[in-house]
Amino acid sequence: SQQGEEDPQALSIQEGENATMNCSYKTSINNLQWYRQNSGRGLVHLILIRSNEREKHSGRLRVTLDTSKKSSSLLITASRAADTASYFCANPTGGGNKLTFGTGTQLKVEL
Amino acid sequence: DVKVTQSSRYLVKRTGEKVFLECVQDMDHENMFWYRQDPGLGLRLIYFSYDVKMKEKGDIPEGYSVSREKKERFSLILESASTNQTSMYLCASTPLAGGADTQYFGPGTRLTVL
Repeated sequence: SQQGEEDPQALSIQEGENATMNCSYKTSINNLQWYRQNSGRGLVHLILIRSNEREKHSGRLRVTLDTSKKSSSLLITASRAADTASYFCANPTGGGNKLTFGTGTQLKVEL
Repeated sequence: DVKVTQSSRYLVKRTGEKVFLECVQDMDHENMFWYRQDPGLGLRLIYFSYDVKMKEKGDIPEGYSVSREKKERFSLILESASTNQTSMYLCASTPLAGGADTQYFGPGTRLTVL
């Protein structure tokens, strides 16, 4: 199976609600990254959390990392329709020379 | 702001054609990457380059080659396009080794091979 698997695959919520996405990975990491992709576009980097960090915030985003469970979560608070996108986690592999991406969570925020 | 551009947003080619996808970044990044993205499979790395004229195979290099003659430009070549290469192709760059820092992505090229 692939590294960086996200859960759930799809999530539909109402505007104003919080959205939580989870990611699991298989190897030891020195960081884990989250990216966002609007439909048909390239990926945009959201946040990077290092292995010695447990939690990181950026605006309405909160990322946690549990290296003992090899898992991370992305929380988007007070979601907006504009948050509708696919969200991917990615972790370094290949000796740190590349990123391996998960299959993503499709988030739909409805008005 | 880092800018990564790709030569085409949409491309339609015929089976057997030679296809060139171009990627240019304007931030003097050492490392550049080519991915393909397919529904349900996420992003898969085709090739990457950590310096001019240097290249490394990614996870799915078969049927592809690359060229990096200048630092800012990384080309993906489909020697003889096939229908199973219909996909979204994404280019990215980063100043540090690929997994160490943010990757900056281009807008993508949606390639259809008929």
